[in-house]
Amino acid sequence: SQQGEEDPQALSIQEGENATMNCSYKTSINNLQWYRQNSGRGLVHLILIRSNEREKHSGRLRVTLDTSKKSSSLLITASRAADTASYFCATEFNNDMRFGAGTRLTVKP
Amino acid sequence: DVKVTQSSRYLVKRTGEKVFLECVQDMDHENMFWYRQDPGLGLRLIYFSYDVKMKEKGDIPEGYSVSREKKERFSLILESASTNQTSMYLCASSLVTLGEQYFGPGTRLTVT
Repeated sequence: SQQGEEDPQALSIQEGENATMNCSYKTSINNLQWYRQNSGRGLVHLILIRSNEREKHSGRLRVTLDTSKKSSSLLITASRAADTASYFCATEFNNDMRFGAGTRLTVKP
Repeated sequence: DVKVTQSSRYLVKRTGEKVFLECVQDMDHENMFWYRQDPGLGLRLIYFSYDVKMKEKGDIPEGYSVSREKKERFSLILESASTNQTSMYLCASSLVTLGEQYFGPGTRLTVT
């Protein structure tokens, strides 16, 4: 399946610590996106990384992509309680986009 | 800012009822999507539309239909609601087919 799989399923850290979430997939991709979902709400786009890119930054977010390992990671630095949410990766290939089941991040104040 | 709105945040319907979920976007996006989200399964695509009156089936179209009469509005229809359609329904739009998607707040539908 092309669908990305996030790891871990759940992550709990203290405020100020860094959080790392991983996404693995099985087929080729054109791009990979990361989204955040606050409890009971819609998803918010965080970052898109193309298959020919290796790293992208946006504020406290850093995304890496390793196409040889078919994996991506999302790093949130200096986490805040407001970062508590579910994080999803979405992989795209040949006009088909698939979401994973997500990582539930809890940041304790 | 792109705004995607959905007609209801919470909805309770009875088995066999016809259910309409409405989605409106205000950014003149060509593409609109309907997903359902269930715990442990992530988001699954029900239908999408890349133009007015155009629709394409996603992964799980059975039991659903859609309507797109105007560019800004995309409706999801449950012809005869069943309990296994109890779920969170998310609408999204995008300017390009596989670019950033903008999501509505979701409708949590319960079918009893």
